[in-house]
Amino acid sequence: DTGVSQDPRHKITKRGQNVTFRCDPISEHNRLYWYRQTLGQGPEFLTYFQNEAQLEKSRLLSDRFSAERPKGSFSTLEIQRTEQGDSAMYLCASSLEIANTGELFFGEGSRLTVL
Amino acid sequence: RKEVEQDPGPFNVPEGATVAFNCTYSNSASQSFFWYRQDCRKEPKLLMSVYSSGNEDGRFTAQLNRASQYISLLIRDSKLSDSATYLCVVNLGGFKTIFGAGTRLFVKA
Repeated sequence: DTGVSQDPRHKITKRGQNVTFRCDPISEHNRLYWYRQTLGQGPEFLTYFQNEAQLEKSRLLSDRFSAERPKGSFSTLEIQRTEQGDSAMYLCASSLEIANTGELFFGEGSRLTVL
Repeated sequence: RKEVEQDPGPFNVPEGATVAFNCTYSNSASQSFFWYRQDCRKEPKLLMSVYSSGNEDGRFTAQLNRASQYISLLIRDSKLSDSATYLCVVNLGGFKTIFGAGTRLFVKA
């Protein structure tokens, strides 16, 4: 499968614990995005990488959130000291800059439940 | 005011019906426009891009009115398989892609 893959697909954790999600984008895509989606809402932008550089972070991304894309390939999103309000679907997407079609290719998401 | 606003629905229509969704966006500098489809508990997928001249893909027709900052999607001859959430999406340039909250469609037999 050459699509965007995310791991784990589901994570249940207790409040205060740290969690990390991984995203493997489509291999030739240089742009990588993280979005968060809650029930009844559309995806909300969290952060964006072009190659290994994190070029934009949303105000939604508090200090407890950190994202990396160390070699311009896979990316990780870590949430420290989780809170119940962090429960959501975390979606990763990738795109190819030169294609300039505006299409984002999403992974199936990592669903987080904070108890 | 949300940057992209949609009627959340749900729209309940019988098979074969024609249904239209509308969307408004607030940023007049928006550059490109899309409709995405999201099935229940699945990821969003591009349905079609939206152009000022209007565009059609089979049973789906999308329209853009830049003056009114309004986007529409028309689905003709609805199928059961069209049941999904339709997300209106606006790109502000580069990586800045904003999603609406979506409109839910249920097509009944």
